[in-house]
Amino acid sequence: KQEVTQIPAALSVPEGENLVLNCSFTDSAIYNLQWFRQDPGKGLTSLLLIQSSQREQTSGRLNASLDKSSGRSTLYIAASQPGDSATYLCAVRSLNQAGTALIFGKGTTLSVSS
Amino acid sequence: KAGVTQTPRYLIKTRGQQVTLSCSPISGHRSVSWYQQTPGQGLQFLFEYFSETQRNKGNFPGRFSGRQFSNSRSEMNVSTLELGDSALYLCASSLEQGRGYTFGSGTRLTVV
Repeated sequence: KQEVTQIPAALSVPEGENLVLNCSFTDSAIYNLQWFRQDPGKGLTSLLLIQSSQREQTSGRLNASLDKSSGRSTLYIAASQPGDSATYLCAVRSLNQAGTALIFGKGTTLSVSS
Repeated sequence: KAGVTQTPRYLIKTRGQQVTLSCSPISGHRSVSWYQQTPGQGLQFLFEYFSETQRNKGNFPGRFSGRQFSNSRSEMNVSTLELGDSALYLCASSLEQGRGYTFGSGTRLTVV
């Protein structure tokens, strides 16, 4: 059964720092991995989608990598800003797990102070 | 291009009642999936529809059901509401299996 873990659960950094959020999954048989951002009480905003054949994707200050063989993904945020404060969720679309669409981690709650 | 639209945004229901939530996907998207988000359990998959057929179903009781119409709009129904059904219900649409998902803003259901 696919399980997704995100570490750390919470992170506080001063503005301007570069930071890395981690995501690990137990079954490497995935279609893709998607990073989302969620503001309190809101829906999910897609940040980056990495297909299983890709190693990384970039969008602005965000860079996500995927190492399928080791079951790991990282989300790198450069030059963090207070507006980056949110919960970041990692989700995988598993090939083997019938009965599910996306399997989510519990998220990392990021707080960036000015 | 319009995003995923969920209605209503907020709902307050009494235990034992039933509720219907609606989701309109992005135009052209034929896959619609539903998720329940609670502080304790996080995001859990409910079901997924593709071209009016339920393709996948999560581990939820039969009180949770859904359907998809020919225009890809989807509805989710919860019967005999329990206090534990209080949650943010999120809908997501996708072009097809294996593509990325776009989420709506969710429906906040409170059962009292």
